[in-house]
Amino acid sequence: QKEVEQNSGPLSVPEGAIASLNCTYSDRGSQSFFWYRQYSGKSPELIMFIYSNGDKEDGRFTAQLNKASQYVSLLIRDSQPSDSATYLCAVNRAGGSYIPTFGRGTSLIVHP
Amino acid sequence: DGGITQSPKYLFRKEGQNVTLSCEQNLNHDAMYWYRQDPGQGLRLIYYSQIVNDFQKGDIAEGYSVSREKKESFPLTVTSAQKNPTAFYLCASTRKNTEAFFGQGTRLTVV
Repeated sequence: QKEVEQNSGPLSVPEGAIASLNCTYSDRGSQSFFWYRQYSGKSPELIMFIYSNGDKEDGRFTAQLNKASQYVSLLIRDSQPSDSATYLCAVNRAGGSYIPTFGRGTSLIVHP
Repeated sequence: DGGITQSPKYLFRKEGQNVTLSCEQNLNHDAMYWYRQDPGQGLRLIYYSQIVNDFQKGDIAEGYSVSREKKESFPLTVTSAQKNPTAFYLCASTRKNTEAFFGQGTRLTVV
C-alpha cells in the first residue's frame, strides 16, 4: 500500500463549479497535511495546510481532515480555468523525521 | 528574499557521465530533500538531510549521491550507475514539521 494515495484523474469540471480532490494516507501517526498545486514544468507551490480534524477555509479553498478515516480533501469553489493544474497531497511522516511524502497528484481541468 | 535556488534549470548528460545538480537555500532551514518526478508521477524521495554532515537514503537512492557540508547547500550527484536518470529533479527544505519550500527544479535529459 502506498503511503499517500490520490486518484490521478483527470478530474474535469466546468468553470464556476466545485472541484473536490481526495487523498488517503497510511501512517496513522501523521500529524501534518498539505496540498500543493503544480503547473506543468514548474515546481509545486503550497495551497493549504491542515493539522487538526475538521475544515479549514482560505478564500476559495477548503481543506478537510478526518484522522480517524485517514482522509484529506481539498475543495475548490468557483473553479477557474487558471486552477487547471496537478494537485499534490503531502503528509509529513511521523516518527520524528517529518519527511514530506507525496501522492502522485490529481490532474484538474477546468473548462470554460 | 529568502528561497531555494537550483541550478542549472536544464542539464544534459551523456551516457556514463556523472553530473551534479546544485541546491542552495537561505531560509535557515535545517532539513533539505531531493525528489525525482517522472511524467504523470508524484515526487519520489532520493535523499534527505536533517543536519549538516548527515544525510539519509530515501526510497530511490540507488545511483545517486549527496553531501551536506554546509547548512545552505545540498548538492545531488547523478552517477553513471543511475540507468534511467531522465527526470525532473526538485530540491526542497523545511523547518520542523512544516510545509516544504521548493526550488524551481532541474530537468535532466540523457543524450
